[in-house]
Amino acid sequence: RKEVEQDPGPFNVPEGATVAFNCTYSNSASQSFFWYRQDCRKEPKLLMSVYSSGNEDGRFTAQLNRASQYISLLIRDSKLSDSATYLCVPAGSSGDKLTFGTGTRLAVRP
Amino acid sequence: NAGVTQTPKFRILKIGQSMTLQCTQDMNHNYMYWYRQDPGMGLKLIYYSVGAGITDKGEVPNGYNVSRSTTEDFPLRLELAAPSQTSVYFCASSYSAPGTGLALHFGNGTRLTVT
Repeated sequence: RKEVEQDPGPFNVPEGATVAFNCTYSNSASQSFFWYRQDCRKEPKLLMSVYSSGNEDGRFTAQLNRASQYISLLIRDSKLSDSATYLCVPAGSSGDKLTFGTGTRLAVRP
Repeated sequence: NAGVTQTPKFRILKIGQSMTLQCTQDMNHNYMYWYRQDPGMGLKLIYYSVGAGITDKGEVPNGYNVSRSTTEDFPLRLELAAPSQTSVYFCASSYSAPGTGLALHFGNGTRLTVT
């Protein structure tokens, strides 16, 4: 089983749509989780951390289900500028290393 | 404040050549990382360092070497380049362990082709 599994997409959605991505991870010892965003041919950038209780940052909501070992990201009211690849990133048990998923590509159309 | 700077941006190597990818950061970050990203794939960790003088192997270290003689610099050395090393290489840094929630700051990447 891969350490991190994500649906590669692409998810093609119209502006204003709500879209959700899921990610499963295999290391039950992972303590911290993140979503990074990567634009085409650019470096990844931290989008948000994922807390046990779930957290929201504007139009973005992240949730963690430890029992099922999956993480989700919900984007509401999609904008053209949200078009990117979203990387699911669990930290190793020591926190020193991050394991990046292959990402889910989102394309928002006018 | 330049952040994480990688040089060169692009490079073409012939099989068997060697080169060093440079990475420097001016944020006084302790943790530094080298990742590679093949087309359509996720980032794979090559080597990392939790402080000057300390380096550790990541997931795909074969064919690479690193050193961390200063806090600022973390060069990646390719010896005997092979076509399988064609990839985009990202250097990243963080003040403390990224698992604590601090963001990894990435450089712009080095696009390497080995032919």
